[in-house]
Amino acid sequence: QVQLVQSGAEVKKPGASVKVSCKASGYTFTSYYMHWVRQAPGQGLEWMGIINPSGGSTSYAQKFQGRVTMTRDTSTSTVYMELSSLRSEDTAVYYCAREGYKLDAFDIWGQGTMVTVSS
Amino acid sequence: QSALTQPASVSGSPGQSITISCTGTSSDVGGYNYVSWYQQHPGKAPKLMIYEVSNRPSGVSNRFSGSKSGNTASLTISGLQAEDEADYYCSSYTSSSTPRVFGTGTKVTVL
Repeated sequence: QVQLVQSGAEVKKPGASVKVSCKASGYTFTSYYMHWVRQAPGQGLEWMGIINPSGGSTSYAQKFQGRVTMTRDTSTSTVYMELSSLRSEDTAVYYCAREGYKLDAFDIWGQGTMVTVSS
Repeated sequence: QSALTQPASVSGSPGQSITISCTGTSSDVGGYNYVSWYQQHPGKAPKLMIYEVSNRPSGVSNRFSGSKSGNTASLTISGLQAEDEADYYCSSYTSSSTPRVFGTGTKVTVL
């Protein structure tokens, strides 16, 4: 079945970086854009950026420009999201979400990865 | 890019209908038919309920419907059931430098 499986929870110190992975299965990896969305505790959803797994092109939310890098490995059908210069406000659950074919919507979501930033 | 505006909470009794609004601008909701809606139960990932304003993915109950008028999109849940109690988020494509935006979220309570 179609699924996205993310890496496990992380605890990081302020100023460090974190890299979250999202492994896709059950569909042609390079045919669907992938987005990253985060959700701080008790807060709403926040869009972070998009990667085209086919060519690797990316577009990031202005808020995260310069701090976020999204990459992919087509050999393992995995996308990665790296966030640097972490601060306490980056404590959140990070989700990868597939953009449906010819849909401007997120039809499949990963289970989420909790990232905690604390000294 | 500011978040789209949703009411913080909406409630209804079992069997009733409720409507959640999602207000944006002509640069997002009003300018494109790319509004989607997501249901999120506590501790779970969001689930796509409506895409492109009014289309339901396979497997989503026909009790859920979407519409749009001007800069405001709406999600209606008819025949409210206990399992519909969750948070709901709208999302839209935008013409800004941040091309996707979510709504502020609405907590639906079944009385």
